[in-house]
Amino acid sequence: EVHLVESGGGLVQPGGSLRLSCAASGFTFSDYYMDWVRQAPGKGLEWVGRTRNKANSYTTDYAASVKGRFTISRDDSKNSLYLQMNSLKTEDTAVYYCARVVAGYNSGWYYATPDYWGQGTLVTVSS
Amino acid sequence: QSVLTQPPSASGTPGQRVTISCSGSSSNIGSNTVNWYQQLPGTAPKFLIYSNNQRPSGVPDRFSGSKSGTSASLAISGLQSEDEADYYCAAWDDSLNGLVFGGGTKLTVL
Repeated sequence: EVHLVESGGGLVQPGGSLRLSCAASGFTFSDYYMDWVRQAPGKGLEWVGRTRNKANSYTTDYAASVKGRFTISRDDSKNSLYLQMNSLKTEDTAVYYCARVVAGYNSGWYYATPDYWGQGTLVTVSS
Repeated sequence: QSVLTQPPSASGTPGQRVTISCSGSSSNIGSNTVNWYQQLPGTAPKFLIYSNNQRPSGVPDRFSGSKSGTSASLAISGLQSEDEADYYCAAWDDSLNGLVFGGGTKLTVL
């Protein structure tokens, strides 16, 4: 069974840093792309970024709102995903989910989208 | 302001069929596949539909998806009380080089 468990959330002051972790189990972690998605209190889902697998050179993409401040990394030997968050702003307050990405082709169309999600960890940026 | 546009709310009675729309542009829905998620209150999103109309294992066939041009729809037939949730569409955006979500639709079962 696929299992994703986030940790590392908490209260941090504006301008501060925080590192989130996501422990994965139940699948071959190294084969998969992984995403971070966040949800501000009472708001909708917002994609944060993606890391691809070794076969795709571990390339990363980020949402414009976090680019240059957040860094996604992974350690395949530990089945773990990380999100380093620097220069935090009050608007970064949200529940942060890690998610496995399922990718493939269907009728000639490529898809790559989160399938399994963790339970989330709350990050509060406030003075 | 979300890149993909969904109605903020929808409703139906048990047994009814409801549809939720998702409108985008040529850089997202127009050139990539659409995916749908269901989020029950206080829980993580659940994978509902991928690649426009494919259901992951375990998702009832009451849920179906479609896409035409730069718009997509999620249909729920035989509405049940447990379908009351928030529903989100998502698609990759080639211009933004990222995954974009709709603002979400809150479905109420009357």
